[in-house]
Amino acid sequence: DAGVTQSPTHLIKTRGQQVTLRCSPKSGHDTVSWYQQALGQGPQFIFQYYEEEERQRGNFPDRFSGHQFPNYSSELNVNALLLGDSALYLCASSRRNPRNTEAFFGQGTRLTVV
Amino acid sequence: AQSVTQLGSHVSVSEGALVLLRCNYSSSVPPYLFWYVQYPNQGLQLLLKYTSAATLVKGINGFEAEFKKSETSFHLTKPSAHMSDAAEYFCAVTLSSGSARQLTFGSGTQLTVLP
Repeated sequence: DAGVTQSPTHLIKTRGQQVTLRCSPKSGHDTVSWYQQALGQGPQFIFQYYEEEERQRGNFPDRFSGHQFPNYSSELNVNALLLGDSALYLCASSRRNPRNTEAFFGQGTRLTVV
Repeated sequence: AQSVTQLGSHVSVSEGALVLLRCNYSSSVPPYLFWYVQYPNQGLQLLLKYTSAATLVKGINGFEAEFKKSETSFHLTKPSAHMSDAAEYFCAVTLSSGSARQLTFGSGTQLTVLP
C-alpha cells in the first residue's frame, strides 16, 4: 500500500500565476481533505471532498478550488497566487465510515511563490 | 466550533527524561482528539487518537495521552525520551458528531532531545 501520495513535492511559482497540486488517497479511502501549513504553524483546513463534491470548507478565499475524481484522487487549484500562499500543502485521506478511522497524510507539496 | 491550544512552542528534555507536551481543547460537542508528529520536510504521522473509548490512550513509539474532560486536556507523555523523538508535535481535534472529518490543529510544539 503506497499510502497517500502527493505531487509534485516542490514547486516554485510567480505571483499571479495558477497552480495545481495532486493527491492520490490511501487504498480504500474515499474522502480527501486539503490543508495549508505555513512555516512555523499548524495545518489549516482548506476543504474536504467526498463523492466528487466539496463537503466542507475552511476560511479560504475562492481562489482556492478543488476537484475529486471518480477514483477518489483529488486536485487543489490556487489562482492568482500571492506571496502569502507560500506554504506546505498537505493532503489527507480517510474513510467516510466508520467515523472513528483516522486521517492519513501525504508528504506534502512545498509551494514557494516569488 | 472547536479549537486547540498547545502550551509551549518549544520543549527541551534530556535523553532518558520524561516527555510532557501539553494540549487543551475547546469543543461544543464531545471531541475526537489526535496527536500527530512531523519530522523535517515530512507529512504528519499519527501517534495516537482518542475516540471516546478508554481515556488513557497508548500510541506508537512509547507515547501515550490521557483524556481529561474536567480539565479539557489531552497531554502527550513518554516516560523516557530518545534522540529520535526530536520532531514537531501537533495536537488536533475534530467533532464526534456529523459526518465530516475537519481537523483543527494546534500551533505545534517543537521537541528537542539533548544528549
